[in-house]
Amino acid sequence: QKEVEQNSGPLSVPEGAIASLNCTYSDRVSQSFFWYRQYSGKSPELIMSIYSNGDKEDGRFTAQLNKASQYVSLLIRDSQPSDSATYLCAVTRQGGKLIFGQGTELSVKP
Amino acid sequence: DTGVSQDPRHKITKRGQNVTFRCDPISEHNRLYWYRQTLGQGPEFLTYFQNEAQLEKSRLLSDRFSAERPKGSFSTLEIQRTEQGDSAMYLCASSLIDPSPLHFGNGTRLTVT
Repeated sequence: QKEVEQNSGPLSVPEGAIASLNCTYSDRVSQSFFWYRQYSGKSPELIMSIYSNGDKEDGRFTAQLNKASQYVSLLIRDSQPSDSATYLCAVTRQGGKLIFGQGTELSVKP
Repeated sequence: DTGVSQDPRHKITKRGQNVTFRCDPISEHNRLYWYRQTLGQGPEFLTYFQNEAQLEKSRLLSDRFSAERPKGSFSTLEIQRTEQGDSAMYLCASSLIDPSPLHFGNGTRLTVT
């Protein structure tokens, strides 16, 4: 089992729809969770961080964390073509090492 | 905040040669990470430092890879006797102590011919 697993993509949604990206992790003691966006040929950029159970909203983005189920998700409302990118889920292991999932490619069609 | 800086941006080398990459973190960040990323995959952890101490090195790495962070400032990643399988994007990132997020540099793209 991989330490961090994400939906295999690509995920295609129409412009204006909600995109839902999912991630599961294996280490129960993980405490910090992040979503990064990576455009083709660029380095990852942070879009959301979440540390406690529940929802965290920032503009069109909502991160959801359920530690009991070892599950973290990212919702993107009113998806725009500029949101087309690969989304990386990252989880902190004990000691601070950040482990990434394989990424989910999102395509928003105009 | 000038961001994380990596040099060079691109490196083409022949198999068997040694290469060295440099990373300058955000100045107040005491943690520095190296990752490797190939097409279609997420970043793969290589090693990380807190100040000048190397806290962990991936078991996936062979002895051909070494990293240093003298004086807890910039870091170098050296790959000896490069192989074609080493071709990848090498990403450096820095952060404050956990649970702070990582800030990535633009990466060094290595091509081994």
